[in-house]
Amino acid sequence: GAGVSQTPSNKVTEKGKYVELRCDPISGHTALYWYRQSLGQGPEFLIYFQGTGAADDSGLPNDRFFAVRPEGSVSTLKIQRTERGDSAVYLCASSPDRGGNTIYFGEGSWLTVV
Amino acid sequence: GDSVTQMEGPVTLSEEAFLTINCTYTATGYPSLFWYVQYPGEGLQLLLKATKADDKGSNKGFEATYRKETTSFHLEKGSVQVSDSAVYFCALSDGPNTGKLIFGQGTTLQVKP
Repeated sequence: GAGVSQTPSNKVTEKGKYVELRCDPISGHTALYWYRQSLGQGPEFLIYFQGTGAADDSGLPNDRFFAVRPEGSVSTLKIQRTERGDSAVYLCASSPDRGGNTIYFGEGSWLTVV
Repeated sequence: GDSVTQMEGPVTLSEEAFLTINCTYTATGYPSLFWYVQYPGEGLQLLLKATKADDKGSNKGFEATYRKETTSFHLEKGSVQVSDSAVYFCALSDGPNTGKLIFGQGTTLQVKP
């Protein structure tokens, strides 16, 4: 596609439920990033994929968060047993490679846990 | 750890006014520095960047100079327009992976006609 596509754009879920957020990067981009942005804050790094593998998952807050990219293109961020503190905008970004190039952000998935 | 601090917003200016948004950073290495902009209803976009000390990044009339001695990367524009109204984020990357960014908290700019 023309840009990074994220679905759903908005998700409201109940505390304790499981949620999946999808990212479709720009075609051909090998690097993919997930960030989380809480209200009034800047984005915080969660995880980085180079191809199919998670090259750096140091930003994942705890083991309720998991992300996959099985074919090196689309990625899914999975959140188990959601908590109200997980409410945020989840941003995906992609770039042609790991370094030196501009990364392109999607518009984000707004997650609200009630 | 590495961090970025931006001036608090919101910043409200009249059209054609001079803009400065302050940004300072803390980093152990030699980071690359960035300004991103988020227009209403849109995703984050790279505005400009600088990869080493004394570099000046510029785009769309905006400028920022990488000042290692003051660990700063202040964003400036000589004459703002209503269309510049957005949230501006200062960010750094420490290392070759420039997609792993540390962001400031953002500064909202509102430009009035």
